[in-house]
Amino acid sequence: ETGVTQTPRHLVMGMTNKKSLKCEQHLGHNAMYWYKQSAKKPLELMFVYNFKEQTENNSVPSRFSPECPNSSHLFLHLHTLQPEDSALYLCASSQTGTSGAKETQYFGPGTRLLVL
Amino acid sequence: QQQVKQSPQSLIVQKGGISIINCAYENTAFDYFPWYQQFPGKGPALLIAIRPDVSEKKEGRFTISFNKSAKQFSLHIMDSQPGDSATYFCAASKGATNKLIFGTGTLLAVQP
Repeated sequence: ETGVTQTPRHLVMGMTNKKSLKCEQHLGHNAMYWYKQSAKKPLELMFVYNFKEQTENNSVPSRFSPECPNSSHLFLHLHTLQPEDSALYLCASSQTGTSGAKETQYFGPGTRLLVL
Repeated sequence: QQQVKQSPQSLIVQKGGISIINCAYENTAFDYFPWYQQFPGKGPALLIAIRPDVSEKKEGRFTISFNKSAKQFSLHIMDSQPGDSATYFCAASKGATNKLIFGTGTLLAVQP
């Protein structure tokens, strides 16, 4: 699957580390998303970017810092995380339209993050 | 505050049987209800979606039933196959927003 790629696939970090997650979409979409997936919880939307502009920040702690340099790339910068931040972080993309039709979100495989 | 409630949490079905997963929502402004399928090690993928102006949508072995008055919708998988074993998520969104509200997921195991 090459539509939406994420790196790294697995990451272990200490609470004092700084790391970044990378997402790249090859679908020509103009919207990108970060989700957090924890066991037995709904997927939690974290951030939404439309045309490289952040349009949604779902009350995410500042230790998570997103960056969207262009419509194809999305980063999530991590610093001073807590053990409860351990989860699967999913990136998605979609093509926003003007017709009002809902756009399918295409997900990457995720980065499995463990904070020690 | 969970806006989309999904049940059951897990489901075991025999091959050839019918799998049924239910979701209930609270916000009557929701107007789009997709179901996503997720295999281990993969991200969720859109399976089928419905809008509230129809009561049922069928695509192959997968059917969404929608009850607007009860604020409920369900996924039916007919002739379930071992390859259908995955986690299924219902979701909802409203208006022009591309913000999806997801359920907690149902882990389906289809036994051969």
